Formats: sequence, structure tokens, C-alpha cells
Amino acid sequence: EAAVTQSPRNKVTVTGGNVTLSCRQTNSHNYMYWYRQDTGHGLRLIHYSYGAGNLQIGDVPDGYKATRTTQEDFFLLLELASPSQTSLYFCASSDSEQYFGPGTRLTVL
Amino acid sequence: GEQVEQRPPHLSVREGDSAVITCTYTDPNSYYFFWYKQEPGASLQLLMKVFSSTEINEGQGFTVLLNKKDKRLSLNLTAAHPGDSAAYFCAVALYTGNYKYVFGAGTRLKVIA
Repeated sequence: EAAVTQSPRNKVTVTGGNVTLSCRQTNSHNYMYWYRQDTGHGLRLIHYSYGAGNLQIGDVPDGYKATRTTQEDFFLLLELASPSQTSLYFCASSDSEQYFGPGTRLTVL
Repeated sequence: GEQVEQRPPHLSVREGDSAVITCTYTDPNSYYFFWYKQEPGASLQLLMKVFSSTEINEGQGFTVLLNKKDKRLSLNLTAAHPGDSAAYFCAVALYTGNYKYVFGAGTRLKVIA
């Protein structure tokens, strides 16, 4: 009954690979967010959206695309993955506070 | 843009001692303020949300103080126990046409029994 789910939970790819991270929320929230978490940086905002078809650029968007297909689903796309994108990725949905998914650990070799 | 500075990055205290973590922010349009706890290998768990101009909120074993005049947010674990060992993050919600959140870099707390 988790309200924010992410898939896959772990992913290993090679440099130049194509990766899609998926996030689904059942909170009926308008806002959804993608973050990356790296030691020493906390959570950094990649992209966010306030509804289906909407996309807002975050603070560290380079190398990432995102798409919000429905109110429930928000995808993060890495079309040419690089080792610098090795990280722990969190998705969240929000009304007046954020609800986080369990995270996806991505390794780019 | 908004800058959130969190101190200290690492904190080690003995069981029963207090632990204080502080965040300062820059944007006067910050609306809501949050503290999260993250245990190893887990996601972020909301501890407290505050939004009044000066507010003290008490939770189970901790106190949160917000001072908008000084743009300062603090978390005080009043009598730390080993179960409090985790990473703690502050976050600030901004409205700039859309709602956006900016996080501090985190504090890794270790409570020694």
C-alpha cells in the first residue's frame, strides 16, 4: 500500500547506456519530484512537475530528461549515462509536504 | 537561488546527551520548513514540519525551533539514544510560481551507548 513506488530498485549500466527510472504515486498529488542523493550534498533536485504533461527544471538537470505521463507516473531518463550519474535517486510526491519513494540505486560503469 | 547551509556535517554524542543541528537559509520567501531522518539504506522519514514565523515544536524526544528573522532552523534531540543514530536533513519549501524544496547537505549523527 506504499504511496510512492520506484522501479527498478537497483540498476547497473555502462557508460553511454540508456536508463529509465520510474516513479508512481497513489496520493493524488499534483507535484512530483526527482532527486539525486550523494554523500556531502544531501538531496539535489533534478526535475519536477506539477501535473501531467508539465515539466520544471531543477537545480542539477544536465544529462537528465523527465516526463510526466499521468498524474501518477513520473519518469527520469538518462539517454547517455555517465559514471558521474552513479547515485541514489529518490522520487517524491507532494501536497504541503513531500512523501518519498524507497529510492533507486544506479551504478554507471 | 535559495542556499541552505546545515551544520555540523558529522556529530557524535553519548547516550543521554543532547544533539543540536542547525540550518540557515537565504530566501525570505521560504514558506515551510522540514526535518527528515534517514536511517542507513532507507528513505527519508518526516520528523516535523513548521511554518510559523517563530515556532517551537516538540516531538517525541526532540524540539524544533524556527526563527524567520534570523533565517535559522534547528533540531534539538534532547536525550539522544542509539536509535537516533542516522542522517538528518533540513529542507525548505519555496514558492516561485511552483513549489520547490531545497535540502541541506545533512548531518550524520552517531549516538554512543
